[in-house]
Amino acid sequence: NAGVTQTPKFQVLKTGQSMTLQCAQDMNHNSMYWYRQDPGMGLRLIYYSASEGTTDKGEVPNGYNVSRLNKREFSLRLESAAPSQTSVYFCASSEAYMWETGGTGELFFGEGSRLTVL
Amino acid sequence: QKEVEQNSGPLSVPEGAIASLNCTYSDRGSQSFFWYRQYSGKSPELIMSIYSNGDKEDGRFTAQLNKASQYVSLLIRDSQPSDSATYLCAVNWNSGSARQLTFGSGTQLTVLP
Repeated sequence: NAGVTQTPKFQVLKTGQSMTLQCAQDMNHNSMYWYRQDPGMGLRLIYYSASEGTTDKGEVPNGYNVSRLNKREFSLRLESAAPSQTSVYFCASSEAYMWETGGTGELFFGEGSRLTVL
Repeated sequence: QKEVEQNSGPLSVPEGAIASLNCTYSDRGSQSFFWYRQYSGKSPELIMSIYSNGDKEDGRFTAQLNKASQYVSLLIRDSQPSDSATYLCAVNWNSGSARQLTFGSGTQLTVLP
């Protein structure tokens, strides 16, 4: 059972470089999310995709772009990395847009991608 | 700014004791509340959800919700060293046409053998 798979798991960038974090889920979930986790800050939502073909900004979208490539895949791009983007990034998915009627609210998380920007 | 507040800890309890984790939230319109557990270096996993005032029990875990006081808690009975982890409280709220799930910063729990 792969669940939610993120790549890469570790990455070191220099300021100004770009990169894309890849995420894929094999649970046939409709909704996918990107969070970042910083010490003492908890998980903060960057972008989400309620369903294939839609994306929306979360709490901290500045400096990021996303693409919902198909139902399985949701990528996060940093166009010009900054030291403030040093963080652990988690991709997550849920069966339905989690607050729709019948949604359990359960998010399934990937293992995380640890990004360091020098 | 919707806020979810948790005591960061660390909270230490002896094995077999009851661990009590607390969370307060700012949005009175929130309807769904969740507790996630996160082991060090790992991803969060859902352990409890609660939607109505009162208590909800699942094995050694009990979630308690008081919407009037905007307070949700998690009790872990007969704590085991394997319960040592960071516990994240999460609350949903409305944002125009969408809803979002806001996480607290987490409480680090250590269960001492």
